[in-house]
Amino acid sequence: DAKTTQPTSMDCAEGRAANLPCNHSTISGNEYVYWYRQIHSQGPQYIIHGLKNNETNEMASLIITEDRKSSTLILPHATLRDTAVYYCIVRVRDSGYALNFGKGTSLLVTP
Amino acid sequence: KAGVTQTPRYLIKTRGQQVTLSCSPISGHRSVSWYQQTPGQGLQFLFEYFSETQRNKGNFPGRFSGRQFSNSRSEMNVSTLELGDSALYLCASSGTSGSLYEQYFGPGTRLTVT
Repeated sequence: DAKTTQPTSMDCAEGRAANLPCNHSTISGNEYVYWYRQIHSQGPQYIIHGLKNNETNEMASLIITEDRKSSTLILPHATLRDTAVYYCIVRVRDSGYALNFGKGTSLLVTP
Repeated sequence: KAGVTQTPRYLIKTRGQQVTLSCSPISGHRSVSWYQQTPGQGLQFLFEYFSETQRNKGNFPGRFSGRQFSNSRSEMNVSTLELGDSALYLCASSGTSGSLYEQYFGPGTRLTVT
């Protein structure tokens, strides 16, 4: 699986958009970008995934650059409950279920 | 639909003992994976079971083992416990339709080894 690089921590004001970047410059053509988050003391939660097109669901939007070397997870209106560690994972979709979580980005949403 | 359940939620054991943790996946899910989370190493993959067969294994010693039953429930066992085994053990299940490749995690079992 391709290696990812994320900032260690970020802050965001409540109600504003939180934009979490992820660099995956060695991504292969058949690798997807997945995002999970882990709220303190809970199990990780799946957020969204994509291959090359931008994706949106009820939780977030995923913007993948045209060269696929980086992506951004967008939480459009961050709330205090979005405070969590966010993990960007790149993997081949049918390669089994072993996820390499890395260190992730600790997002703090402030009032 | 009920989520992934793990039992027990908290456990305290002594060095040298063994422990068995249990995971019940979401109904209909056939894949169960186990992860260990510690402050120093983060989330690390232990192993994955699918239809009672171990399909993937992480880089952990043989003291860590698991199995899956015909109803997809899974157990993991750690023998000869060491202080460093203190961690949050997470179980995740994956389904066979719709969100085929997304994993759904349980709340975890907090193991403390003294």
